[in-house]
Amino acid sequence: AQKITQTQPGMFVQEKEAVTLDCTYDTSDPSYGLFWYKQPSSGEMIFLIYQGSYDQQNATEGRYSLNFQKARKSANLVISASQLGDSAMYFCAMREYTGNQFYFGTGTSLTVIP
Amino acid sequence: DVKVTQSSRYLVKRTGEKVFLECVQDMDHENMFWYRQDPGLGLRLIYFSYDVKMKEKGDIPEGYSVSREKKERFSLILESASTNQTSMYLCASSLMNPTQIFTDTQYFGPGTRLTVL
Repeated sequence: AQKITQTQPGMFVQEKEAVTLDCTYDTSDPSYGLFWYKQPSSGEMIFLIYQGSYDQQNATEGRYSLNFQKARKSANLVISASQLGDSAMYFCAMREYTGNQFYFGTGTSLTVIP
Repeated sequence: DVKVTQSSRYLVKRTGEKVFLECVQDMDHENMFWYRQDPGLGLRLIYFSYDVKMKEKGDIPEGYSVSREKKERFSLILESASTNQTSMYLCASSLMNPTQIFTDTQYFGPGTRLTVL
């Protein structure tokens, strides 16, 4: 089974609007961390935001927030007030307490329309 | 700031050649990783290393080997390159902190786009 599932291959959003990128995960480990990365066309993966499985509150970093619904095993990324520079691939990832591996989803391509 | 560098941004090699991809990080991180990225498949882990001279296979190690002789350097080796190894290769590093294991964020290099003809 896929550890991380991103069901939206491509998304479009109007500039200044908010957008939600979906991510669901699968783990039996009660302790894990969830990450979102941005990959612009230049290729470099940029860390955006982190959520721990025991964190009581949703993580926020500037215009990025993580909508963490533990019972549903979802960790959606919300980008508020989209900017043209937000156009990129976005990857959701998970690390379980046991082991050193990160598991990545297949990514969502976001295009911000002026 | 963490700096992860990769030896080449673009590389073109011929089938059967031995290929070395080098990765260097300057933040004294214990963990280093090699991924390949293909459209529609996301990132797939090839190998990772959690200490000098230590390595573990990831999801797709076949056709690859690695070397970590120094903490800051992690090399990916294609012993005999094949066309199906044409891909984007990403190196990453992370700090192994037992007390903050869940903030073990990976930091990536700029990637090497390898074409095997």
